[in-house]
Amino acid sequence: SQTIHQWPATLVQPVGSPLSLECTVEGTSNPNLYWYRQAAGRGLQLLFYSVGIGQISSEVPQNLSASRPQDRQFILSSKKLLLSDSGFYLCAWSVRGRGRDQPQHFGDGTRLSIL
Amino acid sequence: QQPVQSPQAVILREGEDAVINCSSSKALYSVHWYRQKHGEAPVFLMILLKGGEQKGHEKISASFNEKKQQSSLYLTASQLSYSGTYFCGTLPSGSARQLTFGSGTQLTVLP
Repeated sequence: SQTIHQWPATLVQPVGSPLSLECTVEGTSNPNLYWYRQAAGRGLQLLFYSVGIGQISSEVPQNLSASRPQDRQFILSSKKLLLSDSGFYLCAWSVRGRGRDQPQHFGDGTRLSIL
Repeated sequence: QQPVQSPQAVILREGEDAVINCSSSKALYSVHWYRQKHGEAPVFLMILLKGGEQKGHEKISASFNEKKQQSSLYLTASQLSYSGTYFCGTLPSGSARQLTFGSGTQLTVLP
């Protein structure tokens, strides 16, 4: 069966510090991968998605970036964090190659607090 | 553009029914429904692909009215485990855009 792992689960970082969140998927190949951010009590905002290694699409301009160095690895980064980057970050995957009508499966998320 | 969900919040007693609506200003190709419990990741419930399609998941079902560009989620005989925030996600027709989620409906089921 497929599983998705995200780490760390919680993170407290000072303003201006760098960020690296990692997500890996097991049990499937060539998945679509997604990074979402969820502010407290709010909906899910798509940040990046990827349909393959090195292929990243950005949905929202910001100081975050994403990379996909391996087929089942998705990394969210920032060089300098802002207070507004606080939130709950979720990685998700879906089956690729069958159109956009595939369910997305979410990791447990990283709760990021910026001080 | 983000779909609009209503109501924003609803409180029920165990055994009661609820309806959550999701409306879009754009023509839709499909609607996805997810449930998120507090502090946890969203969990997929169902996808509706065709106009007028209805689907069911336990005592949770949904409809998709393509002409009205809206979907409704029906929770029948609510159980305590149904508590959480329900999100709809929409995919527009004729576009390569990704899923856009609504702001969610918080459902609380009381004993």
